[in-house]
Amino acid sequence: ILNVEQSPQSLHVQEGDSTNFTCSFPSSNFYALHWYRWETAKSPEALFVMTLNGDEKKKGRISATLNTKEGYSYLYIKGSQPEDSATYLCAFLVVRGATNKLIFGTGTLLAVQP
Amino acid sequence: KAGVTQTPRYLIKTRGQQVTLSCSPISGHRSVSWYQQTPGQGLQFLFEYFSETQRNKGNFPGRFSGRQFSNSRSEMNVSTLELGDSALYLCASSFGSNYEQFFGPGTRLTVL
Repeated sequence: ILNVEQSPQSLHVQEGDSTNFTCSFPSSNFYALHWYRWETAKSPEALFVMTLNGDEKKKGRISATLNTKEGYSYLYIKGSQPEDSATYLCAFLVVRGATNKLIFGTGTLLAVQP
Repeated sequence: KAGVTQTPRYLIKTRGQQVTLSCSPISGHRSVSWYQQTPGQGLQFLFEYFSETQRNKGNFPGRFSGRQFSNSRSEMNVSTLELGDSALYLCASSFGSNYEQFFGPGTRLTVL
């Protein structure tokens, strides 16, 4: 059974705090790792698609790193704002022969207090 | 560019009934994937359609089926509904599984 694990499960921070969370995935047969942000009452929205070991991606105050050899990715938020409150999901692309699918973690719920 | 749309947004059914959910992808996207989300679970992959063919399938019983039309619109059908089928069903369109997924707003299905 293939597991994608995210930690922590939830996080409460104050506005202005920087925070980070982890996504762990199998270190073999890596193809891609996705990060999504899912705000309440909205649809999940893609943040990053990462494909290369050592990749670092950035979008505004949010950045992500990737280590495929040890099977983890970190998502960082610098200077958290209340609008960053959301569930952050990672998804590991499984490729088996001609078939592929995304396996999602259960997410990290971030609450930013003003 | 219009986003992914799903209809209906909310649905209440009783056990034993069947239901059909619809998803219209972003124009130009040929891949449509379906996911189920239940409380405490991550998004569970149901299946992916690409150019009218089911390309990938998750670990769900045969009661869950789908299809895709020539205009890339997709439908998902669940027959003989069970209480445990109550969930949020999301569809996502993309250029393929290894590309970012664009999600619709979801259909909230409640089975009584």
